[in-house]
Amino acid sequence: GAVVSQHPSWVICKSGTSVKIECRSLDFQATTMFWYRQFPKQSLMLMATSNEGSKATYEQGVEKDKFLINHASLTLSTLTVTSAHPEDSSFYICSAHRRQGGLYGYTFGSGTRLTVV
Amino acid sequence: AQTVTQSQPEMSVQEAETVTLSCTYDTSESNYYLFWYKQPPSRQMILVIRQEAYKQQNATENRFSVNFQKAAKSFSLKISDSQLGDTAMYFCAFMKHEGAQKLVFGQGTRLTINP
Repeated sequence: GAVVSQHPSWVICKSGTSVKIECRSLDFQATTMFWYRQFPKQSLMLMATSNEGSKATYEQGVEKDKFLINHASLTLSTLTVTSAHPEDSSFYICSAHRRQGGLYGYTFGSGTRLTVV
Repeated sequence: AQTVTQSQPEMSVQEAETVTLSCTYDTSESNYYLFWYKQPPSRQMILVIRQEAYKQQNATENRFSVNFQKAAKSFSLKISDSQLGDTAMYFCAFMKHEGAQKLVFGQGTRLTINP
């Protein structure tokens, strides 16, 4: 089946530094990637939608200069948290939409737990 | 805009019992998809079941089935013969029919299966 590899699974960084999270679709081409943020015991909150080769579309209230999303190829999308602060600590999940579309077109990565100290 | 509501923050049942999780949604779309996702302690999102709005027949996947009431905008999940491995967060989600649309999630229900 379709697999999305997300790395790292967890990361601890110092306040003020930047962190990059990668999501790779291993056996299919992901034309669209969704990035979510999840706080403890809460639901997934969509941050942005990225399409291969074009700029990401951010949800209202999400700082695009802070959360940089790049979707340069059909198999790789990255989320960079710039100048991270403790309030950015959270669980980040990507979800890839398959090129062929269809009902089973969404595959989630395993998530990244970010802790900013 | 679409909204999804799960009114049961937590539920707990004994192993082998049947449990039903509730979900209601609001939309002006006539054609769409509905999903139930499971998020176990590993936090990997796993698709449990999906329903196409234009299909009247309720979807079934082994021990999991849904009760889809389109007019009432209700989409409940029934888990039969519950197992310890069913312990997880369950999210109801809505998606428009066309294209690579985003999923709109409900707040989630934490389900615990007790031995």
